Amino acid sequence: DSGVTQTPKHLITATGQRVTLRCSPRSGDLSVYWYQQSLDQGLQFLIHYYNGEERAKGNILERFSAQQFPDLHSELNLSSLELGDSALYFCASTASGGLSTDTQYFGPGTRLTVL
Amino acid sequence: AQSVTQPDIHITVSEGASLELRCNYSYGATPYLFWYVQSPGQGLQLLLKYFSGDTLVQGIKGFEAEFKRSQSSFNLRKPSVHWSDAAEYFCAVATPGGSYIPTFGRGTSLIVHP
Repeated sequence: DSGVTQTPKHLITATGQRVTLRCSPRSGDLSVYWYQQSLDQGLQFLIHYYNGEERAKGNILERFSAQQFPDLHSELNLSSLELGDSALYFCASTASGGLSTDTQYFGPGTRLTVL
Repeated sequence: AQSVTQPDIHITVSEGASLELRCNYSYGATPYLFWYVQSPGQGLQLLLKYFSGDTLVQGIKGFEAEFKRSQSSFNLRKPSVHWSDAAEYFCAVATPGGSYIPTFGRGTSLIVHP
């Protein structure tokens, strides 16, 4: 158990809908990273938040957004969903604001299926 | 920008046999290197990491990896595989002083036969 929690574990929805994925980092960690894992693209970095502020953006679509709240949990919002958004979504946490030497602790993921 | 390649999509070994998973990186200097394991239905877990110093790195679960600058490689090894090692293995690279966001390889799926 990494100490990172993600809810829900599974999510099935229809095209055009909007969903929210939730992540709680390890106790004491200030950074949350979001990743999308699909068979086509592998593990792709989406976005990084540190202590409530956006620090880095990766291959995140404009239909996707995220935020980190004062209690440090983070939410990833996916809207106007398309079939191709079906994937595993992971969050990871680290203690620091972003160091190349950081070990990322991953949650168990949310499997999103868009029908 | 850094990149990492895992040439083998699937590897099949017998239980008790030795294992080597390949990882090659592209970066102008010595990067930071990581190996993660993903068991079915789980998130990624760090096995080991290399920043500098001794090029042979010991990790958890009996794994080790060797950094070879001349070959731009960071291969993962285990002398005797157990059935519970069946999982997906990811190599990742981050750059000192550059992007701290690790770049992950596409992964190698390890199948263990009894």
